[in-house]
Amino acid sequence: KAGVTQTPRYLIKTRGQQVTLSCSPISGHRSVSWYQQTPGQGLQFLFEYFSETQRNKGNFPGRFSGRQFSNSRSEMNVSTLELGDSALYLCASRARGTDTQYFGPGTRLTVL
Amino acid sequence: DQQVKQNSPSLSVQEGRISILNCDYTNSMFDYFLWYKKYPAEGPTFLISISSIKDKNEDGRFTVFLNKSAKHLSLHIVPSQPGDSAVYFCAASFSHGQNFVFGPGTRLSVLP
Repeated sequence: KAGVTQTPRYLIKTRGQQVTLSCSPISGHRSVSWYQQTPGQGLQFLFEYFSETQRNKGNFPGRFSGRQFSNSRSEMNVSTLELGDSALYLCASRARGTDTQYFGPGTRLTVL
Repeated sequence: DQQVKQNSPSLSVQEGRISILNCDYTNSMFDYFLWYKKYPAEGPTFLISISSIKDKNEDGRFTVFLNKSAKHLSLHIVPSQPGDSAVYFCAASFSHGQNFVFGPGTRLSVLP
């Protein structure tokens, strides 16, 4: 079974731009969560989607948004990029009724 | 305020010895705990988990201990191998897999 895939793997943007990241979960997994990882901060939860609905949301500004499609693929969008948004963005999927998340390789976003 | 803490940012251990990684949490509602390992440029990989109804779970060289009264869990790796060198994240969740909270991670270096 293929793992979680994320595209692109690397991205360089400038302040004020917007960016869209994509995540394809493991086949059959309907829950997709997004995390931001920065040095010293660990993984900060952004949001979780299940069956196209946002189920949980972390403590991030409204510039961070997401959506999930009927095939469970998810996108995350960050508008009006700031330097502090530079981070590794990780997506994780989980099978219904289970507690274990499986992570993709992440998208490394650099904001200049 | 961090709900999941890993107070040691780094740990060095000699190959063949035991590695002990610690994690403390503040929310007594957490009912499921996980450990993930992360190599550079890769997403976190699930290692081992434990439910709050247990105090120990073992999988090969990895054992997780949970002390609910102290709100503390630890991951033991015996014997440690150079390939175990990575960042280890402790994570906690409640409501059976919802609202995952991650610690900041501990960088383990296993010296040959």
